[in-house]
Amino acid sequence: AQSVTQLGSHVSVSEGALVLLRCNYSSSVPPYLFWYVQYPNQGLQLLLKYTSAATLVKGINGFEAEFKKSETSFHLTKPSAHMSDAAEYFCAVSEWTSGTYKYIFGTGTRLKVLA
Amino acid sequence: DTAVSQTPKYLVTQMGNDKSIKCEQNLGHDTMYWYKQDSKKFLKIMFSYNNKELIINETVPNRFSPKSPDKAHLNLHINSLELGDSAVYFCASSQLDQNTEAFFGQGTRLTVV
Repeated sequence: AQSVTQLGSHVSVSEGALVLLRCNYSSSVPPYLFWYVQYPNQGLQLLLKYTSAATLVKGINGFEAEFKKSETSFHLTKPSAHMSDAAEYFCAVSEWTSGTYKYIFGTGTRLKVLA
Repeated sequence: DTAVSQTPKYLVTQMGNDKSIKCEQNLGHDTMYWYKQDSKKFLKIMFSYNNKELIINETVPNRFSPKSPDKAHLNLHINSLELGDSAVYFCASSQLDQNTEAFFGQGTRLTVV
């Protein structure tokens, strides 16, 4: 079974600082990876996805992620944090099982942005 | 237009009651899901349907019974509610393709007292 691991359940950065949220995957086949953001009391919104077309993926709100096969990583970055980036971030992988795909999520990282 | 909508957004009920959550998607997707998010924000899949057919049931208690009247709707009925059922339940949908993302509803916060 595939899985993703997010290191750091809480990350704090100052406004304007670099954001780095870590995600490592475990997969025996080329993975399809996703980053989602969840704002308080809301559903999950897709930030970006890796589909093997390019290793550096750009998403919404200035976020990007780089797929590194050698490190089995798909870390999320943003050059300059904004107060509005404070949210919960989830890394996910899609897995084929029983004739369908299911999305397996990491445990999430709560990003706090300090003024 | 809301892509995946679920109702109600909040649900407070007593132990032992039966309740339902409704979900509708207008994206034309083939696949729909129910996910449970616990108090630690952990997201776990409960059920998956393809074209009204149950495909995945992740060892969820029999008190949870999903129903899909058509491929745009997936409802969740819960019998004999327990305190441990308190969580946020998310409906989601996707196309049957590995490189497509799942679209999520706003969630239903269920509180059992």
